[in-house]
Amino acid sequence: EAGVTQSPTHLIKTRGQQVTLRCSPISGHTSVYWYQQALGLGLQFLLWYDEGEERNRGNFPPRFSGRQFPNYSSELNVNALELEDSALYLCASSFPGSPPYFGPGTRLTVT
Amino acid sequence: EDQVTQSPEALRLQEGESSSLNCSYTVSGLRGLFWYRQDPGKGPEFLFTLYSAGEEKEKERLKATLTKKESFLHITAPKPEDSATYLCAVQAGTGNQFYFGTGTSLTVIP
Repeated sequence: EAGVTQSPTHLIKTRGQQVTLRCSPISGHTSVYWYQQALGLGLQFLLWYDEGEERNRGNFPPRFSGRQFPNYSSELNVNALELEDSALYLCASSFPGSPPYFGPGTRLTVT
Repeated sequence: EDQVTQSPEALRLQEGESSSLNCSYTVSGLRGLFWYRQDPGKGPEFLFTLYSAGEEKEKERLKATLTKKESFLHITAPKPEDSATYLCAVQAGTGNQFYFGTGTSLTVIP
């Protein structure tokens, strides 16, 4: 069974630019979660999507947004990038009653 | 407020020196507690799910236990390859929300 996939693996952006990160959940999983993990720090909850709807968001500014598509894949958009947005962005998926399973992450570097 | 606390933040062990990591939680309506292993720069890898007090799960040198207020991850005779950050998470309430602790960074010295 294929796991959660994320793309791209890593990217470098300049401050002020915009970026889109993509996530494909495990087949059958309807929920997608996005987390930010700055170097050496814990997971910070960003967004939770289920059945195409945003169910909850963490304490992040509105320039962090996303969506979930009918096939349950998801994308995370970050506008007006700031240096402190440099982090590993992790996507996880689950279905009711299952734990979240994580993808390999996207390493974003903002210069 | 729902909260998950892990201790210690960091732990250094000699190879073969057994120890335990702690995950304490204050949530309403616990539905599950999960342990993960995370290697640097990678996504967390799922290890165990525990659902009720008294439950235990084992995998190789790892054993996870659950009480009404906390969970322990026991590491028996660890090896250097067990070095990683161990995360715990809980699912609580009626939704599908998960709450993560900040992790314990384990280093096993040969």
